[in-house]
Amino acid sequence: AQSVTQPDIHITVSEGASLELRCNYSYGATPYLFWYVQSPGQGLQLLLKYFSGDTLVQGIKGFEAEFKRSQSSFNLRKPSVHWSDAAEYFCAVLRSNDYKLSFGAGTTVTVRA
Amino acid sequence: ETGVTQTPRHLVMGMTNKKSLKCEQHLGHNAMYWYKQSAKKPLELMFVYNFKEQTENNSVPSRFSPECPNSSHLFLHLHTLQPEDSALYLCASSQNTGANVLTFGAGSRLTVL
Repeated sequence: AQSVTQPDIHITVSEGASLELRCNYSYGATPYLFWYVQSPGQGLQLLLKYFSGDTLVQGIKGFEAEFKRSQSSFNLRKPSVHWSDAAEYFCAVLRSNDYKLSFGAGTTVTVRA
Repeated sequence: ETGVTQTPRHLVMGMTNKKSLKCEQHLGHNAMYWYKQSAKKPLELMFVYNFKEQTENNSVPSRFSPECPNSSHLFLHLHTLQPEDSALYLCASSQNTGANVLTFGAGSRLTVL
């Protein structure tokens, strides 16, 4: 079985402050990992992905994520948030044996001025 | 147009109606997907098509009937739906069904009265 946990349902952050969104998964082998963002009324847009290699990956819009195998985590970070980063963020895990993709329930980010 | 386009963006239907959702991708991908997105729940995979052939039906009720006439088009035919079927229905595509990134459409917001 595989599950993806995003422990924080909702995070509020001030504009200019740093942001970290948590993602944990349960899967025996090394998976492929993704972060998607969904703005209101829109579909999901890929922020970044990890397939192999450097465990710190850079994405679009100034986001980065770090894969930590020992913690089964793939946390998303941004050093300084902008008001336009207010959205819902989804972590996704793709099993490397059968390519089954699972999503977390999402974290809603609110940015206050 | 580029990317993945879904129509209609919004749909309201009664429980006895028959309607269809349409998805079109202009990315040259071979795999297409239907997902159901309900508030604060992980995305639920409904159907997968690869080279026009259905490769996955995730125990979806028969009141949802997919159709994939070619690799660029995907339909979801709806009939005798229930109010609990109200959700955002997302279409996605990928190069194939292996270790690939999904590109999502903006979704069709369905309300069943």
